[in-house]
Amino acid sequence: EVQMLESGGGLVQPGGSLRLSCVASGFAFSTFAMHWVRQAPGKGLEWVSEISYGGRSTYTADSVKGRFTTSRDNSKATLYLQMSSLRADDTAVYYCAKSAVATTPWAAFDSWGQGTKVTVSS
Amino acid sequence: DIVMTQSPDSLAVSLGERATINCKSSQSVLYNSNNKNYLSWYQQKSGQPPKLLIDWASTRESGVPDRFSGSGSGTNFTLTISSLQAEDVAVYYCQQYYDTPFTFGPGTRVDI
Repeated sequence: EVQMLESGGGLVQPGGSLRLSCVASGFAFSTFAMHWVRQAPGKGLEWVSEISYGGRSTYTADSVKGRFTTSRDNSKATLYLQMSSLRADDTAVYYCAKSAVATTPWAAFDSWGQGTKVTVSS
Repeated sequence: DIVMTQSPDSLAVSLGERATINCKSSQSVLYNSNNKNYLSWYQQKSGQPPKLLIDWASTRESGVPDRFSGSGSGTNFTLTISSLQAEDVAVYYCQQYYDTPFTFGPGTRVDI
């Protein structure tokens, strides 16, 4: 069974930093691109970033570019999102999601974690 | 960026009746080399993560009831729930994965 468990969320002050983790199991993690998607309170889904299966390439939404960095450790089946210069509008539940097709990011997201909540407030 | 729009914003349907949700992309998400539409539909119930229902515009995921169907091509797509059940109350999102950023529609809330 595919499982993904996010952690690292919490309350942080504006301008602060946080690192989210997503530990995956039940599939060949190293062969699938992975994504971060966030959802602000009461709002819709916003794609944040993607990292290739090997970790060599990433795509990042303009809203977080230069502030958020996506990485992965395939030996630990873990995805990361390093967030810095956090703002109030980064407040959201952050989900990790798995690409449905091996070795390509150009596919739907067929498995999602339960999410970790990030609150940016003073 | 490809902008995704959905209509209606919300709808209320009686049990056993049909629900239809429309999704439009600001540019075509049909990849001509493989004739596939890079369009998916997700269901999100309250307090839960999204669940993939349909990808490639019309391919139902394993385990998804056959009352859910997707159709359309290019820029216009539809999700149909043929006979609404109580457990289908949720917000439904379309998403394009043709190009980054992988944008989602704003969502359609379906109630009984």
